[in-house]
Amino acid sequence: SAVISQKPSRDICQRGTSLTIQCQVDSQVTMMFWYRQQPGQSLTLIATANQGSEATYESGFVIDKFPISRPNLTFSTLTVSNMSPEDSSIYLCSVGSPGGAEAFFGQGTRLTVV
Amino acid sequence: GDSVTQMEGPVTLSEEAFLTINCTYTATGYPSLFWYVQYPGEGLQLLLKATKADDKGSNKGFEATYRKETTSFHLEKGSVQVSDSAVYFCALSDRSDSSYKLIFGSGTRLLVRP
Repeated sequence: SAVISQKPSRDICQRGTSLTIQCQVDSQVTMMFWYRQQPGQSLTLIATANQGSEATYESGFVIDKFPISRPNLTFSTLTVSNMSPEDSSIYLCSVGSPGGAEAFFGQGTRLTVV
Repeated sequence: GDSVTQMEGPVTLSEEAFLTINCTYTATGYPSLFWYVQYPGEGLQLLLKATKADDKGSNKGFEATYRKETTSFHLEKGSVQVSDSAVYFCALSDRSDSSYKLIFGSGTRLLVRP
């Protein structure tokens, strides 16, 4: 299994500002993913964070709004840029095991934009 | 594209009642199937999984069988407890595209009353 630490666990931000969320894994992993869980909704994949190359974004998500860094095999950041109240969600970091046999999740970052 | 459909909640049961939460899926390849649980105020935890047809995943008294013929992965528990109150997510990982990302259902909230 993998232990994933996310920071911050929660934050309240002013609209128009940006927040960077950090994800640290206790082992080297190839695949890291960022999900969004809007209030009362399911999880939606934002992007796959690739080490050494640009992230791969899902439909409806763009790099300018959600820039991602992946400097090494144990760490990634997600930035939520120019925030609006619609960005209020829980953001979760996830890592997958080879073959898709399992995925592990961080505790999430609860973001409220006011 | 791939998708997961879950029964809508909330599901309200009395303690020791039998639980079924329906989940069906659509996938072009040969997915792995998962049930995740999210307890109030906590992150997402893997409850059980099945990686091929006819596999049965089980954990903490919960069971689900991978039914390829009906494309289903229904979650069952013979006797629920108050502590089982949580949101349950069915998910799939389509390994055929080598991305290992998860596609989630909408989630089903379970409330167990004493």
